[in-house]
Amino acid sequence: DAKTTQPPSMDCAEGRAANLPCNHSTISGNEYVYWYRQIHSQGPQYIIHGLKNNETNEMASLIITEDRKSSTLILPHATLRDTAVYYCIVRVAGSARQLTFGSGTQLTVLP
Amino acid sequence: EAGVAQSPRYKIIEKRQSVAFWCNPISGHATLYWYQQILGQGPKLLIQFQNNGVVDDSQLPKDRFSAERLKGVDSTLKIQPAKLEDSAVYLCASSLIAARDKRYEQYFGPGTRLTVT
Repeated sequence: DAKTTQPPSMDCAEGRAANLPCNHSTISGNEYVYWYRQIHSQGPQYIIHGLKNNETNEMASLIITEDRKSSTLILPHATLRDTAVYYCIVRVAGSARQLTFGSGTQLTVLP
Repeated sequence: EAGVAQSPRYKIIEKRQSVAFWCNPISGHATLYWYQQILGQGPKLLIQFQNNGVVDDSQLPKDRFSAERLKGVDSTLKIQPAKLEDSAVYLCASSLIAARDKRYEQYFGPGTRLTVT
């Protein structure tokens, strides 16, 4: 699985959009970008995934650049409960392979 | 639906002692994973089962760690003897083998926090 690079920490004001970047310059054509988050003292939780088109669900939006070398997770209206470590993971889809986690980005939503 | 259950939630042992963790995956999930998460790091896979067979145990320290998934449902992870560096959170996750949406989402339990003194 391709390696990802994320900033170690970010702050965001409550109610504002949180934009979390991820670089995955060595991504292969059959690899998807997944985002998980881990709230303190809980297990990781799936947020969203995509291949090359932008994706949106009830939790977030995922914007993938045209060359697929980077992506941005957008939380449109961040709340205090969104404070967590966010992991960007690249993985071949269509399989139940392991998730290879990096260090992630600690997002702190400030009141 | 019920989530992934793990027990105990916390465990403190002395080095060289043994310890066991239990995991009950989501009903119908054939794939089960054990991850180790050291403080400040992302989770790292220890072992992956599909039903009661091992798919990947390449990162499991087999001299001290063992895991089993009898009958393809519950799983137990054991450490014997424990070392100081085994202090970590042990996470269990499960997923479907085949998913209509093909996202193969992994569902994680709350983890067991192990402290070795």
